[in-house]
Amino acid sequence: KAGVTQTPRYLIKTRGQQVTLSCSPISGHRSVSWYQQTPGQGLQFLFEYFSETQRNKGNFPGRFSGRQFSNSRSEMNVSTLELGDSALYLCASSFYSGGSYEQYFGPGTRLTVT
Amino acid sequence: GESVGLHLPTLSVQEGDNSIINCAYSNSASDYFIWYKQESGKGPQFIIDIRSNMDKRQGQRVTVLLNKTVKHLSLQIAATQPGDSAVYFCAENPISSGSARQLTFGSGTQLTVLP
Repeated sequence: KAGVTQTPRYLIKTRGQQVTLSCSPISGHRSVSWYQQTPGQGLQFLFEYFSETQRNKGNFPGRFSGRQFSNSRSEMNVSTLELGDSALYLCASSFYSGGSYEQYFGPGTRLTVT
Repeated sequence: GESVGLHLPTLSVQEGDNSIINCAYSNSASDYFIWYKQESGKGPQFIIDIRSNMDKRQGQRVTVLLNKTVKHLSLQIAATQPGDSAVYFCAENPISSGSARQLTFGSGTQLTVLP
């Protein structure tokens, strides 16, 4: 089975612009979660989608949004980019098996805001 | 607010020795804990998990111990190998989140395996 894929892998944007990141989960996984990873704040939960519905959202401003399509692929959007949005954005897909919710992470999209 | 944290930011061990990575959590409502390994340039990789109704779980060369009394989690790696060098994160899932996919991560421990 192919793993979680994220595109693009690297992105450079300037302040004020917006960006869209894409995530394709493992085939059969219906849950997709997004995380932001920075040296200062570590890994922080952004939001989770399941069957095209946002089920949970972390403590991030409304500039961060996402959606999920019927094929479980997900996108996240960040509008009006700020320097502090520079981070590795990770997507994880998960399934429930034997009492565990194993999350499989993609390689991430490295976003640099200048 | 409550958070998950790690005792040590770095750990160096000799190849072949056992490694122990520790994690303290403060949210007594958490009922699910996971250890992840992250190598440079890659996303976190699931290692092992444990539910709060257990105090020990073993995998291949890894063991996770959970002490709910002192809110402490540890990852033991047997016969540490060079390929084990990475950053290790503990993560917790608070019951109140309503989703086992909303994880709170610790700050990570850099494990370096010395030849």
